[in-house]
Amino acid sequence: SAVISQKPSRDICQRGTSLTIQCQVDSQVTMMFWYRQQPGQSLTLIATANQGSEATYESGFVIDKFPISRPNLTFSTLTVSNMSPEDSSIYLCSVEDPLAGATDTQYFGPGTRLTVL
Amino acid sequence: GDSVTQMEGPVTLSEEAFLTINCTYTATGYPSLFWYVQYPGEGLQLLLKATKADDKGSNKGFEATYRKETTSFHLEKGSVQVSDSAVYFCALNAGNMLTFGGGTRLMVKP
Repeated sequence: SAVISQKPSRDICQRGTSLTIQCQVDSQVTMMFWYRQQPGQSLTLIATANQGSEATYESGFVIDKFPISRPNLTFSTLTVSNMSPEDSSIYLCSVEDPLAGATDTQYFGPGTRLTVL
Repeated sequence: GDSVTQMEGPVTLSEEAFLTINCTYTATGYPSLFWYVQYPGEGLQLLLKATKADDKGSNKGFEATYRKETTSFHLEKGSVQVSDSAVYFCALNAGNMLTFGGGTRLMVKP
């Protein structure tokens, strides 16, 4: 399956600032996804990012707060804007890997652990 | 809408004990079913999957069978190890979107 890396792996930020998280894949993939995992909780889909089109956001998430870029088939960024302590979470990207032969399976990056003070 | 319900944790077992983590789902159509595992401080790893009724997914000694009649996908392992301590997530995909259960924390004591 695809190898997925994320930067940074963790960060501590001040409220009111913004952080951009990078997701890099070692092969070309069509669909990339961004999730949030709040402390002790399950995963919630923020948005789906397809190359060449605007990201599709899930209910409760807006582009002004979580702008996403998808400049090519191997890379995406998620920005957490104007952060507050409630944004403290693990942010994970995932991909569907066509090389793995299944379009129903997502593979996850290692996550970015964000703490907002 | 689609949903996944898992047994709440934590589940605490002694090494070599038998593990069952229950998972039931509600979905339209015929979803694919997954178990993911999250080790401490790490991201999610795909543990196993099943794509149709009566399929059995298996990996690293873990098994789960897709039971359409009971809408279940329970995770089992015959003999757990301390290294299996992690959070386990059941999930379904009914059309390009994963829906996760709440997660079950497993703690295995020596």
